[in-house]
Amino acid sequence: DAGVTQSPTHLIKTRGQQVTLRCSPKSGHDTVSWYQQALGQGPQFIFQYYEEEERQRGNFPDRFSGHQFPNYSSELNVNALLLGDSALYLCASSFPSGRANEQFFGPGTRLTVL
Amino acid sequence: SQQGEEDPQALSIQEGENATMNCSYKTSINNLQWYRQNSGRGLVHLILIRSNEREKHSGRLRVTLDTSKKSSSLLITASRAADTASYFCATDSWGKLQFGAGTQVVVTP
Repeated sequence: DAGVTQSPTHLIKTRGQQVTLRCSPKSGHDTVSWYQQALGQGPQFIFQYYEEEERQRGNFPDRFSGHQFPNYSSELNVNALLLGDSALYLCASSFPSGRANEQFFGPGTRLTVL
Repeated sequence: SQQGEEDPQALSIQEGENATMNCSYKTSINNLQWYRQNSGRGLVHLILIRSNEREKHSGRLRVTLDTSKKSSSLLITASRAADTASYFCATDSWGKLQFGAGTQVVVTP
């Protein structure tokens, strides 16, 4: 049973560029959440997708957008990259919210913005 | 902003000792979860405690929750070198996890 997978593992971009990160949820999960983790900090919630719609959003600007596909996989897009966007981006999958449940995290994508 | 705040920020112990870390939060929760992270990699779920529970055990882990004080604690008994990691508490509000800054635990042989 494959867990949560993310690609790519590492990415280097320059300021102003755009980036797309990808996530495949754990088998049987239909909800995907994205988190940003700066060095030395805890993960910060970006948004959550369920049934191909953004259901919850954290305090992130519109430069951060996402998408969920019919197979439940998801993409995170960040436009007009800033140096401060350098972080580990984590994807987590779960069953629909409304039930107390754990989230399963992928290994993350480390984004460096130069 | 971060919902949970862990204390201490860092903890260094020897193998066989117990490690205790605390978490405080600000708003009402559905449940509280603890996660472990090794060397900046993905998080591993350790234990979930619901808002109507006071204590929960899983192997060498013991978690308590005091909703009146908005606090939780994680106890790792008989620690091992492999327990070296960062530990995060996360409050769960309808699937949205809000993490603290974490406690870095180093277990030396």
